[in-house]
Amino acid sequence: DSGVTQTPKHLITATGQRVTLRCSPRSGDLSVYWYQQSLDQGLQFLIQYYNGEERAKGNILERFSAQQFPDLHSELNLSSLELGDSALYFCASSVGSAHTGELFFGEGSRLTVL
Amino acid sequence: TQLLEQSPQFLSIQEGENLTVYCNSSSVFSSLQWYRQEPGEGPVLLVTVVTGGEVKKLKRLTFQFGDARKDSSLHITAAQPGDTGLYLCAGASYDKVIFGPGTSLSVIP
Repeated sequence: DSGVTQTPKHLITATGQRVTLRCSPRSGDLSVYWYQQSLDQGLQFLIQYYNGEERAKGNILERFSAQQFPDLHSELNLSSLELGDSALYFCASSVGSAHTGELFFGEGSRLTVL
Repeated sequence: TQLLEQSPQFLSIQEGENLTVYCNSSSVFSSLQWYRQEPGEGPVLLVTVVTGGEVKKLKRLTFQFGDARKDSSLHITAAQPGDTGLYLCAGASYDKVIFGPGTSLSVIP
């Protein structure tokens, strides 16, 4: 158990819909990262937050947004969903900023868009 | 754009054999990590290497960081079925951690 909690574990929805994925980091970790993993794209970095502020952006679509709340949990919002958005979405946390690279991952949220 | 490449993409070996997987980049990272991921689960950190030329051992696993801090290798001695999984290298810079595409290892009993 990494200490990172993600909900929901599985989500099935239709194209055009909007979903919210939730992540609670390990106790004491200030940074939260979101990654998307699909078979053909591997583990793609989406966005990072540190202590409530956006720190870095990766290949995140404009239809996607995220935030980190004062209690340090984070949410990833995916809107106008397309079939290609079906993937595993992972949240990870770390104590400090990204340069240590030592991330602790949740078990992921599997999104299926029909 | 920072990119990490890994080779081989797939590897299937018999129990007891040795193997090496490679991670290469054109970029320099402040540190490099190796993770192992099993199906349906998140990646789990195995090791971090920071200094060029650094070698770390974790039981039957040996990790090496290249002198220029752009490449790394993972060597497994006497592989066991429990080593089966996806091995991911990751490069860390100030503001992000990027992952390679992974090497999928299957160890056959």
